[in-house]
Amino acid sequence: KNEVEQSPQNLTAQEGEFITINCSYSVGISALHWLQQHPGGGIVSLFMLSSGKKKHGRLIATINIQEKHSSLHITASHPRDSAVYICAVGSGNTPLVFGKGTRLSVIA
Amino acid sequence: DTGVSQNPRHKITKRGQNVTFRCDPISEHNRLYWYRQTLGQGPEFLTYFQNEAQLEKSRLLSDRFSAERPKGSFSTLEIQRTEQGDSAMYLCAGTGGASILTGELFFGEGSRLTVL
Repeated sequence: KNEVEQSPQNLTAQEGEFITINCSYSVGISALHWLQQHPGGGIVSLFMLSSGKKKHGRLIATINIQEKHSSLHITASHPRDSAVYICAVGSGNTPLVFGKGTRLSVIA
Repeated sequence: DTGVSQNPRHKITKRGQNVTFRCDPISEHNRLYWYRQTLGQGPEFLTYFQNEAQLEKSRLLSDRFSAERPKGSFSTLEIQRTEQGDSAMYLCAGTGGASILTGELFFGEGSRLTVL
């Protein structure tokens, strides 16, 4: 079974700071997902990556398949970015394995 | 709003009672997943359906848990003889059509269960 580790567990940043959240996994995968979970439970899919880099607005996700590592970056962070960010990995049709999440608080 | 709805959003019950949660995915979602999430943890896989067929069940799904997806549309997750350890958020997620290719999952808001 794949083991997914995220770091840091908790992160507090000042508005405007550049933020990086890391995800490592133990077994080769076909896809890695970054998800955002707001208080109350709703989960939104941010990115699905199998290689390289993707950008959407102020969010950038990168993956290094050889090193089994991915990063999620947030540029010019804003209080509305405060949420739990979850990394999940999958291979073929197997159900995703989730990390425990990184709780981000951005202070104005 | 992902278009996936779950009911009820919150359920408080006494130990030993039965509870049922319902998930209504988007109509094109032929694949539907149930996950369980406890405080401070990421979601854990419980089971998934391809249309009406239940294809995989986690060992987390004891014999007190049963899930169905009649006609391949909505799905129900029933927990019999609830225990305090069942207290968690139960999340439903769907995918299908073009999103199968992208791997995107569409999550509902979750059903939070508290067993007293």
